[in-house]
Amino acid sequence: GAVVSQHPSRVICKSGTSVKIECRSLDFQATTMFWYRQFPKQSLMLMATSNEGSKATYEQGVEKDKFLINHASLTLSTLTVTSAHPEDSSFYICSAPIGGGDQPQHFGDGTRLSIL
Amino acid sequence: GENVEQHPSTLSVQEGDSAVIKCTYSDSASNYFPWYKQELGKRPQLIIDIRSNVGEKKDQRIAVTLNKTAKHFSLHITETQPEDSAVYFCAASPSIYNQGGKLIFGQGTELSVKP
Repeated sequence: GAVVSQHPSRVICKSGTSVKIECRSLDFQATTMFWYRQFPKQSLMLMATSNEGSKATYEQGVEKDKFLINHASLTLSTLTVTSAHPEDSSFYICSAPIGGGDQPQHFGDGTRLSIL
Repeated sequence: GENVEQHPSTLSVQEGDSAVIKCTYSDSASNYFPWYKQELGKRPQLIIDIRSNVGEKKDQRIAVTLNKTAKHFSLHITETQPEDSAVYFCAASPSIYNQGGKLIFGQGTELSVKP
């Protein structure tokens, strides 16, 4: 079964709306989680590293004011896409390493975001 | 930073044949290399991984080889079945973030196994 839960699975909203996506680790604590974005028929591109209790680390080219990340507890990280526009439409997916350290990462089911 | 190149982008094989997907990486300090299988619209699922202190790892029909000197690693699937059809991604974990490290992915290979 799923060890990383992501919600919602699908969002369709109007341009200018802010959208929050949740990523939860089930039955384990994750001090670090990762957020990726995947456009159709493309690879997963790392957006940021979510750090529990501290600021997220963003990859080059990712707007931190556009993609707000909060990791307020050891089991929950949230990604908020602020003032979303059609070009933000994508598949957003989070991951967390089970057991910490350099253990294999497991992914959530992803969120399909469509901005009209 | 780390860069991962993956080839081929598409691969079509007959059922029962073998499939090989190759990746190269740029950061010689990277030491963790997982392979993920992703079906359309679903999450990537880990199928096998290898660490830099090992040259080869096998799990039933799936094997991965690693050549640290050449900085490349490969996925081998034997006796392919139609259900192996999916997109496969290789990844590398840059050394700086080894602890619970981020993954840099290759471009993906769309594998099609024809009955």
